[in-house]
Amino acid sequence: KNQVEQSPQSLIILEGKNCTLQCNYTVSPFSNLRWYKQDTGRGPVSLTIMTFSENTKSNGRYTATLDADTKQSSLHITASQLSDSASYICVVRGSGGSYIPTFGRGTSLIVHP
Amino acid sequence: DVKVTQSSRYLVKRTGEKVFLECVQDMDHENMFWYRQDPGLGLRLIYFSYDVKMKEKGDIPEGYSVSREKKERFSLILESASTNQTSMYLCASSPSRGQGIMNEQFFGPGTRLTVL
Repeated sequence: KNQVEQSPQSLIILEGKNCTLQCNYTVSPFSNLRWYKQDTGRGPVSLTIMTFSENTKSNGRYTATLDADTKQSSLHITASQLSDSASYICVVRGSGGSYIPTFGRGTSLIVHP
Repeated sequence: DVKVTQSSRYLVKRTGEKVFLECVQDMDHENMFWYRQDPGLGLRLIYFSYDVKMKEKGDIPEGYSVSREKKERFSLILESASTNQTSMYLCASSPSRGQGIMNEQFFGPGTRLTVL
């Protein structure tokens, strides 16, 4: 069964600090991996997408990495801001025409001033 | 600007009531999805639809039904609401394989349903 595991479940950091969120998956064959950000009371919004051939991709202060061999991805947040407080969800899609991605349970990040 | 809207942000219903949650997208997407989101469990797929009048069960369809009479609208129906259906309900849409950027899902703001 396809699974996506995220760690840590929750994280508290001080404003200005960096942090790294982890995502391990078993989805096979692999198509792509997305990181979503979900602010409290809102729907998730895509931050970045990683395909098989990509190792690193940045979106402002967010940098995602992918190791397709070990089936691991990370999301690194640099110089955190209060607005980074949110849930970060890793979503993996397999190849073969499936409409249905597999969701991780998310990491809840709180940034304190 | 892409948009998925849901009919209510907050809803309070009584046990046994029939509940309708509406979702509308303006992006001409083929695929639409209903999820529920609970603390510690993440998003779980209830139903999805890949075309008008077509529907497929997701991981947790029990107690729910759906309707898709028009491409832009996907409704979730709780035939007889129960307290264990208290949750956040999220609707999403995505383009079919040939249309969009590797099937990104666009989410609505969610409906927080409380069943008393």
